[in-house]
Amino acid sequence: DGGITQSPKYLFRKEGQNVTLSCEQNLNHDAMYWYRQDPGQGLRLIYYSQIVNDFQKGDIAEGYSVSREKKESFPLTVTSAQKNPTAFYLCASRIRSTGMVGYTFGSGTRLTVV
Amino acid sequence: DQQVKQNSPSLSVQEGRISILNCDYTNSMFDYFLWYKKYPAEGPTFLISISSIKDKNEDGRFTVFLNKSAKHLSLHIVPSQPGDSAVYFCAASTRLKTSYDKVIFGPGTSLSVIP
Repeated sequence: DGGITQSPKYLFRKEGQNVTLSCEQNLNHDAMYWYRQDPGQGLRLIYYSQIVNDFQKGDIAEGYSVSREKKESFPLTVTSAQKNPTAFYLCASRIRSTGMVGYTFGSGTRLTVV
Repeated sequence: DQQVKQNSPSLSVQEGRISILNCDYTNSMFDYFLWYKKYPAEGPTFLISISSIKDKNEDGRFTVFLNKSAKHLSLHIVPSQPGDSAVYFCAASTRLKTSYDKVIFGPGTSLSVIP
């Protein structure tokens, strides 16, 4: 059964700590994305990767880092430099080919700073 | 500056009636529009899409209308069912064939269908 798996579902972080959110897909999709959702706002793009070993900053990359060492995996690290990390984080993927626009999303990770 | 706007944060509709969710966009380069549905604590799921060369696309109870001159699209759900209660995101994209085609999401409209 193909899909995107995000873990953990809930994550609590103390101020000043780095945390890493996992995103794994078995859809054989080329491109992967990290979005952040805040109340009353749309999904804002943090980072994206179109191929292995390559990734680009999105609209709100400050305080975040990613890696793409394998096609299936695109972990997101929320660093202590991210001033307001409490949010719902969504990972998505898609086939990178002409005409295929829609994303497949994971079920999300809710990060709370305590 | 929001390129995709959903001006109604919430909407309540009686079961069996029509739900109309609206979306406006500012970028005339957008040529593909999508609607996603999201339940709490879950990721969005794709619902329906429309290309800019069309003005209507229908899939069962869901119909999306596009008015390019007004830069406006709407999602109609008929008849509305309690299971339709969710947040609906409008999204827009330019289908650039050679590079990353960025999808811009609106802020969402929370639909409540009352039994």
